[in-house]
Amino acid sequence: GAGVSQSPSNKVTEKGKDVELRCDPISGHTALYWYRQSLGQGLEFLIYFQGNSAPDKSGLPSDRFSAERTGGSVSTLTIQRTQQEDSAVYLCASSLDPPTVYNEQFFGPGTRLTVL
Amino acid sequence: GESVGLHLPTLSVQEGDNSIINCAYSNSASDYFIWYKQESGKGPQFIIDIRSNMDKRQGQRVTVLLNKTVKHLSLQIAATQPGDSAVYFCAVVYSSASKIIFGSGTRLSIRP
Repeated sequence: GAGVSQSPSNKVTEKGKDVELRCDPISGHTALYWYRQSLGQGLEFLIYFQGNSAPDKSGLPSDRFSAERTGGSVSTLTIQRTQQEDSAVYLCASSLDPPTVYNEQFFGPGTRLTVL
Repeated sequence: GESVGLHLPTLSVQEGDNSIINCAYSNSASDYFIWYKQESGKGPQFIIDIRSNMDKRQGQRVTVLLNKTVKHLSLQIAATQPGDSAVYFCAVVYSSASKIIFGSGTRLSIRP
């Protein structure tokens, strides 16, 4: 079946512009996560959506970052007034429930964002 | 706070030899641990996990060892193959907080 998809795969933007990154989770997955991966680094947690509960935004690095999840499915990560340090690969993952030993997180291929 | 680290940034292994990738974590209030493999241009892919009440788990050519006393986790890959070339991440799960903390990763390269 279809996995997690993300679009665009690559995004080049100018400093100061806003960008929107999209994630389509696996159908039926109630949990959705956004991570950021800078070059040669591990995954940095950004935000977590679980069903209809209020999202866990504790990982968002600044108020320029926001995310929505419409209808419990598709999610959009928005970065306003992009800065060069925002350049990274942004990964989305989904799972059936909050992570337990039974519910694997499935990752999308990521969106590579380059801010010039 | 939580942290996961002490990875070697790179590991070079002769094809056919065993690989051992290590990871340390700081917070003992973790529920389980996961190893992910990330190939170039792709998202991380689940390899194997282990519950915090276990100390060893085996999969196909992979074994994960957990030492809670010293908060150390390792991934052993038997008979390393060229297709094993990737970055390997350990991740620590805190289910009560619905959080997964990832380490910085180890890049495994295979010498022919």
